[in-house]
Amino acid sequence: QKEVEQNSGPLSVPEGAIASLNCTYSDRVSQSFFWYRQYSGKSPELIMSIYSNGDKEDGRFTAQLNKASQYVSLLIRDSQPSDSATYLCAVIPGRGSTLGRLYFGRGTQLTVWP
Amino acid sequence: GAGVSQSPRYKVAKRGQDVALRCDPISGHVSLFWYQQALGQGPEFLTYFQNEAQLDKSGLPSDRFFAERPEGSVSTLKIQRTQQEDSAVYLCASSFDGTSHIQYFGAGTRLSVL
Repeated sequence: QKEVEQNSGPLSVPEGAIASLNCTYSDRVSQSFFWYRQYSGKSPELIMSIYSNGDKEDGRFTAQLNKASQYVSLLIRDSQPSDSATYLCAVIPGRGSTLGRLYFGRGTQLTVWP
Repeated sequence: GAGVSQSPRYKVAKRGQDVALRCDPISGHVSLFWYQQALGQGPEFLTYFQNEAQLDKSGLPSDRFFAERPEGSVSTLKIQRTQQEDSAVYLCASSFDGTSHIQYFGAGTRLSVL
């Protein structure tokens, strides 16, 4: 079982809608969770980090973490065509592996159509 | 520099050729990571340095892969006797220290082995 699982999509939403991206992870004691955005042919760009249960909001982005369910999600409100990209969920496990080593899901491809 | 710099951006190698990929991290960043990203997949961990010490190389796929960071700044990933399965994007990331967990990625080197 992969450490981090994401629906690969593709996910397609109209402009102005809410895009919901989901991720589950296998290591129950994981402590650090990240969402990266990656445009085609470009490097991953960090857009959200979350460490505690609940919601964290930053502009149009909201990350949600539920450690009991081992689930982390990203909501994008008022989606724009410029949000079209692949979104990567990444986790740092809590057990004694390399401090800071990221485990990535395969990514969810999001398309926002005008 | 302002960000993580990688060179070359693109590399085409004939099967059996040796290649060297360079990463110049953000100035002052202690931690440096190498990841391999195959087409349509999330990045996979290769190796980790803290300053000049290579603390984890468990992700290197074979003994043809070798990485170094002799002065604790610039790092080089070397692949000997390249094979077609080595074709991927090689991403370098750095973070301020091993506990900050925020990694900044370079643009990557796209390696194509013919």
